[in-house]
Amino acid sequence: TQLLEQSPQFLSIQEGENLTVYCNSSSVFSSLQWYRQEPGEGPVLLVTVVTGGEVKKLKRLTFQFGDARKDSSLHITAAQPGDTGLYLCAGVLWLNRKLIWGLGTSLAVNP
Amino acid sequence: NAGVTQTPKFQVLKTGQSMTLQCAQDMNHNSMYWYRQDPGMGLRLIYYSASEGTTDKGEVPNGYNVSRLNKREFSLRLESAAPSQTSVYFCASSEAVFGGYTFGSGTRLTVV
Repeated sequence: TQLLEQSPQFLSIQEGENLTVYCNSSSVFSSLQWYRQEPGEGPVLLVTVVTGGEVKKLKRLTFQFGDARKDSSLHITAAQPGDTGLYLCAGVLWLNRKLIWGLGTSLAVNP
Repeated sequence: NAGVTQTPKFQVLKTGQSMTLQCAQDMNHNSMYWYRQDPGMGLRLIYYSASEGTTDKGEVPNGYNVSRLNKREFSLRLESAAPSQTSVYFCASSEAVFGGYTFGSGTRLTVV
């Protein structure tokens, strides 16, 4: 059973556009991590959010953890071709401390 | 470069053959993990080691064994490879259990 839903599954945009991807669940998380994975490589950790309502910024990337700690979003401003990749979210379940993964959003930024 | 090193990067096995995937980290992390990644299935945990001397089953442990050789090294063994084990395998480490991971670059395994 997939407990962490990511949307959209695929996204293709032009350079300079803004976008938001989502990570949703009915479960409560004690923390949530975002990763970016490029073809042929392992995922790279971008950020960890731990407090409900928390907002973290990493250059043009803004991460938000929902107030109820059940969801998160990633907003990219003025996307660049270097942002292309698979964006994965992973949450540590509050209930049993296990980590679960979403299937990812595959982003293509065209020059 | 600091990080997680996996070997080999590519491997083709015949059904029934055995092999060991090696993983080493130089970040002094306590916890290490083995995942497999398959299209449409995402990342699935095979085994993990919360700390040196301990190992635990993950979501898909059948057909695999692991050894936490020391704090740095965590190996994954396929005793009798099956086509269903064709996948990309990732080793990862973290300072705390299920904390933010550092991943290796993966091993692409094909079982024919």
